[in-house]
Amino acid sequence: AQRVTQPEKLLSVFKGAPVELKCNYSYSGSPELFWYVQYSRQRLQLLLRHISRESIKGFTADLNKGETSFHLKKPFAQEEDSAMYYCALSVFQGGSEKLVFGKGTKLTVNP
Amino acid sequence: NAGVMQNPRHLVRRRGQEARLRCSPMKGHSHVYWYRQLPEEGLKFMVYLQKENIIDESGMPKERFSAEFPKEGPSILRIQQVVRGDSAAYFCASSPLASNLGNEQFFGPGTRLTVL
Repeated sequence: AQRVTQPEKLLSVFKGAPVELKCNYSYSGSPELFWYVQYSRQRLQLLLRHISRESIKGFTADLNKGETSFHLKKPFAQEEDSAMYYCALSVFQGGSEKLVFGKGTKLTVNP
Repeated sequence: NAGVMQNPRHLVRRRGQEARLRCSPMKGHSHVYWYRQLPEEGLKFMVYLQKENIIDESGMPKERFSAEFPKEGPSILRIQQVVRGDSAAYFCASSPLASNLGNEQFFGPGTRLTVL
């Protein structure tokens, strides 16, 4: 079965500190992974996807198939990074595509 | 482009009533997805629709829930005879292209359903 696990419900760091939000997945097919972010009072929006290998707002995420992980990292956290972060796996079956989400990690960056 | 629109944003129903949630996809998008988020949980897929077609409803409860996406107008998620366990945030997302790996889904603000 497809599953996405985000082991940390809450993560708190100080401004300027490195941050890593963990994500592990379980999927028998070729994984396509995303990080979505939801800032306070805003809608869920795509932060980055593994296939594009880009850095958005200083965040990067590398797909590690051996460890089945897609951890999100940023070397120097900023207060405006405080938000809910969701890791998601795209599952493609029988002509249909859907996203499987983790439960999310609430990141708080303290001044 | 106003983005994905959902209404109402908040909906209160008593047990046994019907709930209708509406979703207007982004302009030019013809693929709609509904997700449900229970308290303390991640979003869970419910149904994927294209215009006038249900493509995948594997995440829909077998009873009381239905969805449609007519040729004209918004997509509707309908919950009949609501129960307290239906209280959740319901999110709609849309995408522009045919189902394919890696398509970005654009999310609406969600409808928060409370069943008294």
